[in-house]
Amino acid sequence: KNEVEQSPQNLTAQEGEFITINCSYSVGISALHWLQQHPGGGIVSLFMLSSGKKKHGRLIATINIQEKHSSLHITASHPRDSAVYICAVRTYNTDKLIFGTGTRLQVFP
Amino acid sequence: KAGVTQTPRYLIKTRGQQVTLSCSPISGHRSVSWYQQTPGQGLQFLFEYFSETQRNKGNFPGRFSGRQFSNSRSEMNVSTLELGDSALYLCASSSGQRNTGELFFGEGSRLTVL
Repeated sequence: KNEVEQSPQNLTAQEGEFITINCSYSVGISALHWLQQHPGGGIVSLFMLSSGKKKHGRLIATINIQEKHSSLHITASHPRDSAVYICAVRTYNTDKLIFGTGTRLQVFP
Repeated sequence: KAGVTQTPRYLIKTRGQQVTLSCSPISGHRSVSWYQQTPGQGLQFLFEYFSETQRNKGNFPGRFSGRQFSNSRSEMNVSTLELGDSALYLCASSSGQRNTGELFFGEGSRLTVL
């Protein structure tokens, strides 16, 4: 079993829909990152969380440390949100970054 | 402020050769980390450097090595290339001492091994 699990693997939405991507992990962590990767490879950091909730524009990220779970929400989705969203955790013991397998999101007009 | 710069962006090598990839972090960032991305294994951590010292290393064979210079620029080297080394190699810089801050990624170096 992977230490970082994301769901769903693939997600299709209509423009304007509310999107939720989930990340569960099984290790102790010091931080959790949400990353966005567009076709072509470049990765952009969206959020870094160690507790609570963060909001940036239409994006909201939450984390529940006790339940070892984080969610990324996109409100009023837009075709430009189409990308792969990756959850990564920095492990408390080894201080290494472990990545989820990503969620591929397609938003259609 | 310039972002993270990786060179070369694309390269093709043959089995048995060696390759060196370069990463220039954002000015003022002293932490640099490297990652390998393949369709089969996804993103995997390679190394992390801070102030010319390797702080952490992923589970890769000794053919994969790296270093960081006094100006924070970093290089990674892969010797005796294998077909399975074909991947996108990404580096990221951070202002945190132990790469614990927000990560800023370069565009990556796409290596094809024939």
